[in-house]
Amino acid sequence: DIQLTQSPSFLSASVGDRVTITCRASQGISSYLAWYQQKPGKAPKLLIYAASTLQSGVPSRFSGSGSGTEFTLTISSLQPEDFATYYCQQLNSYPQTFGQGTKVEIK
Amino acid sequence: QITLKESGPTLVKPTQTLTLTCTFSGFSLSTSGVGVGWIRQPPGKALEWLALIYWDDDKRYSPSLKSRLTITKDTSKNQVVLTMTNMDPVDTATYYCAHGPLWFGELLNFDYWGQGTLVTVSS
Repeated sequence: DIQLTQSPSFLSASVGDRVTITCRASQGISSYLAWYQQKPGKAPKLLIYAASTLQSGVPSRFSGSGSGTEFTLTISSLQPEDFATYYCQQLNSYPQTFGQGTKVEIK
Repeated sequence: QITLKESGPTLVKPTQTLTLTCTFSGFSLSTSGVGVGWIRQPPGKALEWLALIYWDDDKRYSPSLKSRLTITKDTSKNQVVLTMTNMDPVDTATYYCAHGPLWFGELLNFDYWGQGTLVTVSS
C-alpha cells in the first residue's frame, strides 16, 4: 500500500493567514492526488483533484501543487468557514489510501 | 443532481455480517465512466478506503480487508451493496459511499458523498 503522510497533523491559525499543508507519498503517484475538507459530523468535500485542479464551486483561495511524492494544499487567506480537517488521497493505485488528516483550528 | 445515501444496521454483534446499501440517484452505474466506492471512518480517526466497483463490474478491495469484503451493484435499483463478514468492535465506524467519475478511464476523485451511517459493533 502507498502511505500518505500529512504535515502538520494540527495547525492553529488566524483568519486571513496563509496556510500550507503538505502530503508526502511513500512512492511516486504522478499527479493522482485529491484533497478533501471535512467538518465535524459531515462527509468529506472534494476541493482539489489531479493535484492542482480546483473542483467546481470551490473558492479560488484553495490551491494545490506537486507531483511525484510531495504535494501541498494552500489556503491563501484563511476564512472562518475553513476551520476543518483536511485529507489527501492518492488514486494512483489500490487501495486508494488517505492521509491521516490535518486539523486546522482557530488561534 | 447526484445524491447517495447509505442504509443498514446501526448495531451489529461481533462475528456477525454487516450489509450496507448505497442508494443513489442522478447517475447510472450501467453507463460508462463512473465508479462507486466505500470509505469508512472510525470515531475521531482518519478515512479508510474499503472497496470500489466500476460501471463495468470491475471490483477492487483493500488488501487488508479483502477476505471479508464483497461489493456488488444492482443497476436496476441504483444500488451498491457492501458486505463485511466477521465484524469486530474495531470495525465501529461511519461508513460512507461516494461517486467517482472517470476521466479518460481513470478515477481521479470522489466528488459526491453520502451522509454516512454509523455502525457500532458491540455485544
